Amino acid sequence: SSELTQDPAVSVALGQTVRITCQGDSLRRYYASWYQQKPGQAPLLVFYGENNRPSGIPDRFSGSTSEDTASLTITGAQAEDEADYHCNCRDRSGYHVFGPGTKVTVL
Amino acid sequence: QVQLQESGPGLVKASETLSLTCTVSGDSVSSTYSYWSWIRQAPGKGLEWIGYDYYIGTTKYNPSLQSRVSISLDTSKNEFSLRLRSVTAADTAMYYCARIGTGDDAIHIWGQGTEVTVSS
Repeated sequence: SSELTQDPAVSVALGQTVRITCQGDSLRRYYASWYQQKPGQAPLLVFYGENNRPSGIPDRFSGSTSEDTASLTITGAQAEDEADYHCNCRDRSGYHVFGPGTKVTVL
Repeated sequence: QVQLQESGPGLVKASETLSLTCTVSGDSVSSTYSYWSWIRQAPGKGLEWIGYDYYIGTTKYNPSLQSRVSISLDTSKNEFSLRLRSVTAADTAMYYCARIGTGDDAIHIWGQGTEVTVSS
């Protein structure tokens, strides 16, 4: 199956660390990419591949993969990090699949 | 700086065809490094990948939409388009055009999105 699963919501205290996970069989073979989406805005790529952060994305965003689970970690979460986070991965056929998204609340 | 801009009708009648265009600036739809993609998001829901086209004519579509969807490139206008046939209320969504990197499969560039409502 090429489905991806994510926790619906997580919360983190200001300045603390939060890890968002994405699980699926495709992640055993291909890397996830992660997108931040704030209300009323288009998604924004924040991490991809083995260890890639687009220009302009703070280094408090990092990613990792272990077996069938990809993780996006925000170290020292800021108020502006409150958003929905979506993971994405391709499968063997080249189709792309999104996880359902995780709503991150910064307390 | 690559920019994408969606355009098309915001209201489509049920059973008709939804047609959207994405105008590309700062890159070429003939690029070997880019898959040109459409993604949508129904109100209050997650993102759904619709499909992509590549300059050599390779297309990939979400299996759940494959029977109704087509994506094509227009190299003369440097734009690409989406056609979704026989729409229903379930196709009401924000539609985004996007560029996927061929080397890393990451969606690097997104358009701002265009809202499409299917009316009965």
